Amino acid sequence: RKEVEQDPGPFNVPEGATVAFNCTYSNSASQSFFWYRQDCRKEPKLLMSVYSSGNEDGRFTAQLNRASQYISLLIRDSKLSDSATYLCVVNNRGLTGGGNKLTFGTGTQLKVEL
Amino acid sequence: EAQVTQNPRYLITVTGKKLTVTCSQNMNHEYMSWYRQDPGLGLRQIYYSMNVEVTDKGDVPEGYKVSRKEKRNFPLILESPSPNQTSLYFCASRPWDRGDNYGYTFGSGTRLTVV
Repeated sequence: RKEVEQDPGPFNVPEGATVAFNCTYSNSASQSFFWYRQDCRKEPKLLMSVYSSGNEDGRFTAQLNRASQYISLLIRDSKLSDSATYLCVVNNRGLTGGGNKLTFGTGTQLKVEL
Repeated sequence: EAQVTQNPRYLITVTGKKLTVTCSQNMNHEYMSWYRQDPGLGLRQIYYSMNVEVTDKGDVPEGYKVSRKEKRNFPLILESPSPNQTSLYFCASRPWDRGDNYGYTFGSGTRLTVV
């Protein structure tokens, strides 16, 4: 089983649609969680951190369910500019106890169309 | 502007010819890390460094070396590159004292081809 699993997509949605991405992770001791956005062949950029209480940033809402080891991202009123790959990222302490180890999902591709 | 700078952006080299990919950050971040990204495999950690002179292996360290002599720089060294190291490489950094939920800043990437 992969440490972080995502549906690769692509999700093709019309402009204005609401779309939801899901992600599961295998390490119950993981400390922190993120969604990153990656445009084709470019660097990942932080979209938002994810908290158990849920957090919202404009049209984007992220949610963490620690009991189910499940992370979600909801995009409302999607725009053409939202077309990208969305990476689910989990942060674990390194084996030495001090380091940080990011584990990435392989990403979910979103295509927003007119 | 706060950033992570990688050089070169693109590199084509031959098997066995030593090369170095540089990474520099201007944010005084303690933590730096290297990743490679391959189709279907996502980003995988190669090496990371918690501070000057402190480095450790990630998931795929074979064939790579790193050094951290200065806080701002974290070069990735391929002593004898092989074709299976053809990949897209990213350097990332973050401060150590901002908590686990603080995100990482990534460099623009280095696309390496080994022939």
